[in-house]
This record gives sequence, C-alpha cells and structure tokens, in this order.
Amino acid sequence: QSVLTQPPSASGTPGQRVTISCSGSSSSIGSDTVNWYQQFPGAAPKLLIYSGRQRPSGVPDRFSGSQSGTSASLAISGLQSEDEADYYCATWDDNVLFGGGTKLTVL
Amino acid sequence: QLQLQESGPGLVKPSETLSLTCTVSGGSISSSSYYWGWIRQPPGKGLEWIGSIYHSGIAYYNPSLKSRVTISVDTSENQFSLNLRSVTAADTAVYYCARDLGYTGYFDPWGQGTLVTVSS
Repeated sequence: QSVLTQPPSASGTPGQRVTISCSGSSSSIGSDTVNWYQQFPGAAPKLLIYSGRQRPSGVPDRFSGSQSGTSASLAISGLQSEDEADYYCATWDDNVLFGGGTKLTVL
Repeated sequence: QLQLQESGPGLVKPSETLSLTCTVSGGSISSSSYYWGWIRQPPGKGLEWIGSIYHSGIAYYNPSLKSRVTISVDTSENQFSLNLRSVTAADTAVYYCARDLGYTGYFDPWGQGTLVTVSS
C-alpha cells in the first residue's frame, strides 16, 4: 500500500519561511502531481496548491508548491499567525492518497 | 458559487448502514466533467478518501473500503449519496463531500462536513 509521508509538526516565527515535505514513491509523486490542502480546527480542508505548483484564485502568493522525483514541498514565506493550521498533501496512485498531515505552529 | 452540503443521521448503530447525501447548489452535477467524492476524517486524525462518482454513474472507490461502499448519484435532485455497510466504531468520523477532478487527489470545493458517530 503506497503512502505519503509528512512530518507531524513544523513551526516558525512570523515573517519566516517554512517548508513542509511530502515523501512518496515512483508510482505516486513520481508519476503524478501533488495537491496541498489547508485545514483550520473545526473547518473543512481547503485546496491550497494543485498540480504541484498552481494556486487557486484567492490563495496568497506566499504559498508555493514544488515537486521533484518522489517528493513534494509546500513553502510558506512571510509566515503569519493566521497560517497556523494543518496541511495535507494528496496525489493519485491507483487510489487517492493523503499524507498524514503536518500541524504548523507559528511561534 | 458552487456549494456542497452533507446531510444524514449523526448516529448509526454498529453493523448497520451509514447513509449520507450531498446536495450541490450553484451548479449542476451533470454540466461538468468533474467527479463528486466523499472523504472522511476520524476525530483527531487525517483524511481518507472513500470514493467518487461521475454524473453518468461511473464510480471509483478506495480499495480498502470498496467491499462496503456504494456511491450513487441523482442528477434530477443534484445530489449524490454514500452508503457504508456494516459499520463499526472505526467508521466514526467527519464525512465530507467535495467536487473531484478525478483520479488526481484534487478536491475543490468541500462541504462543511458532518460528524457521524457509530455507537449502540
């Protein structure tokens, strides 16, 4: 069973740049693009990045995505307190796979 | 603006069938090339895709749940539904519906979610 691996937690101070990684396999991230979701407590996930690096309308350009080989990354520059949330990566590998999620704390 | 809303019982007994409906407003289920999907999230845990359906009725499912899941669509009501059979406490979760690009892990937008508890 293919999986996507994310660090359970990440942190940064306001204004800092933080990155969240998502590690997969040749059949998942190595073969398809990655989507990223942001979820606040008690709320539904929201699409943040799609097709690896594309931002939906309304998503600030502080958020950026990249992928190379079997890994993908979400970068948040100019970190703000309102960015404190859970972040999930997702892709396709004969099944929709979600990463385990990363809880981002703004110190 | 496309909106999705889940509805259904908040409490289901073990071994019974969990049934939820997602009503789509602000657009037609039939008018686009999108699929329509169900995703769940156990309390305090991560996201798990359940399955998705096209307006033609073609569906694809998470292999780990496929034997217990049926997703159907009612284009006349602009709704799609989830049936999960033989539930256990492990099926307790917030259930979300979302528009699905299909075979990509792209879901947007999402409904607000509904908590379903499996308990006697």
